[in-house]
Amino acid sequence: QSMLTQPPSASGTPGQRVTVSCSGSISNIGNNYVYWYQHLPGAAPKLLIYRNDQRPSGVPDRFSGSKSGTSASLAISGLRSEDEADYYCASWDDSFRGHVFGTGTKVPVL
Amino acid sequence: QVQLQESGPGLVKPSETLSLTCTVSGGSFNNFYWTWIRLPPGKGLEWIGYIHSNGNINYNPSLESRVTISIDTPKNQFSLRLRSVTAADTAVYYCVRDAIAVDGTAFNMWGQGTMVTVAS
Repeated sequence: QSMLTQPPSASGTPGQRVTVSCSGSISNIGNNYVYWYQHLPGAAPKLLIYRNDQRPSGVPDRFSGSKSGTSASLAISGLRSEDEADYYCASWDDSFRGHVFGTGTKVPVL
Repeated sequence: QVQLQESGPGLVKPSETLSLTCTVSGGSFNNFYWTWIRLPPGKGLEWIGYIHSNGNINYNPSLESRVTISIDTPKNQFSLRLRSVTAADTAVYYCVRDAIAVDGTAFNMWGQGTMVTVAS
């Protein structure tokens, strides 16, 4: 089972806009929804985006998701210090009918 | 509010079996996929597998030969067994509710996670 590909790191300064990319294949992102999870140090991961671009209640609209073909992106606008975390994309994979995660992107706020 | 809580040994010897249980409280047990996910030190999240409340099961192909997930609906619990463990199985193990078939939100509730170390 292969993982979705993310950049190891994507840094920014407070107030900036940061984007995190996620690359997959036709069997996962190409044919299925993309999800994004935020993992803060010492906490359990938290759902940030579901069905490509939907935010659960309570998630600030500074976070937005998009998908095109076999790739997806998470954008964080107005970066804040509390956004410093690891971010993972995920998708369903038709080849083994299970979930696959991205490799994870660390977002430090400089 | 739904809560998930993992329980089980924090230390397992190499070649033995890792066993964890997740207790779900405060919400319905039906219609969800109950899932195990792990996070090895310095690595990314890995989906281990799920069991649906109707008994449907699926595992990560890379772990399928060693893993069993079971469910005890009357107790609102589901469990993970991972056989023949090695140091590579050292990780934080999370039990997770997958609501993808209910409202599309996928992994929307997580346990706090439990660290399992494989060492002699």
